[in-house]
Amino acid sequence: NAGVTQTPKFRILKIGQSMTLQCAQDMNHNYMYWYRQDPGMGLKLIYYSVGAGITDKGEVPNGYNVSRSTTEDFPLRLELAAPSQTSVYFCASSYELAGYNEQFFGPGTRLTVL
Amino acid sequence: AQSVTQLDSQVPVFEEAPVELRCNYSSSVSVYLFWYVQYPNQGLQLLLKYLSGSTLVKGINGFEAEFNKSQTSFHLRKPSVHISDTAEYFCAVRKYTGNQFYFGTGTSLTVIP
Repeated sequence: NAGVTQTPKFRILKIGQSMTLQCAQDMNHNYMYWYRQDPGMGLKLIYYSVGAGITDKGEVPNGYNVSRSTTEDFPLRLELAAPSQTSVYFCASSYELAGYNEQFFGPGTRLTVL
Repeated sequence: AQSVTQLDSQVPVFEEAPVELRCNYSSSVSVYLFWYVQYPNQGLQLLLKYLSGSTLVKGINGFEAEFNKSQTSFHLRKPSVHISDTAEYFCAVRKYTGNQFYFGTGTSLTVIP
C-alpha cells in the first residue's frame, strides 16, 4: 500500500492564482481530512469528509474548497491565493466504523504564495 | 471547541537522559487522546493513543504516556532518549462523539549528544 499520497510536494503561487492540492489514499478509508500547519501553531483542520459526496468545514475553511467524488481522492482547491495561505498542507485519512481509529498522514505539500 | 495546550515549545535534553513532554486539554466531555511525532520534512506518525482502560499507555520507540482525568493531562515520557528522537511532538484530542481532532502547537524535542 502506498498509504496517503499528496502532490505536489512544493509549489509557489502568485497572489490571485488558483491551484488544486491532490490527496489520495489506497487503504479504503472512509474519513479524509485536510490540515494546514503554520510555524508554532500546530495543525488546523480545514475540511474533512466522512465519505464520498459528504464534506464539512473544519476550523479554518475560508479560502478553500473541497470535493469527494470517490473514496480514494480528496482534492483541496485554493481559489484566489493569498499570502496568508502560505503553509504546509497535510492530508490524512482514517477508517471509522464504530468508535475511533487513528489518522494516517501524507508527507505534506509546502505552498508559498508571493 | 476543544483546547489542547503543550506548555513547552522547545525541550533540549542530553542523550540518555529522561524526558517529559507536557500536554493539557480542556473538555467537558470524554475524549480520546493521542501523541504524534513529526520528523523533519515528513508527515505525522502516531506514537501512542489512549482510548479507555489503563491510564498508562505504551507506544512505539520506548515512549509512554499517562492519562490523568482529574488534571486533564496526558504527558509523554521516555526514560532514556536517543539522538533519533529529535523531532516535533504533537498532542491531540478527539471527543467520543465527534469527527474532529484538535492538535496542540507542538513541542520541539532536541536531543544533545
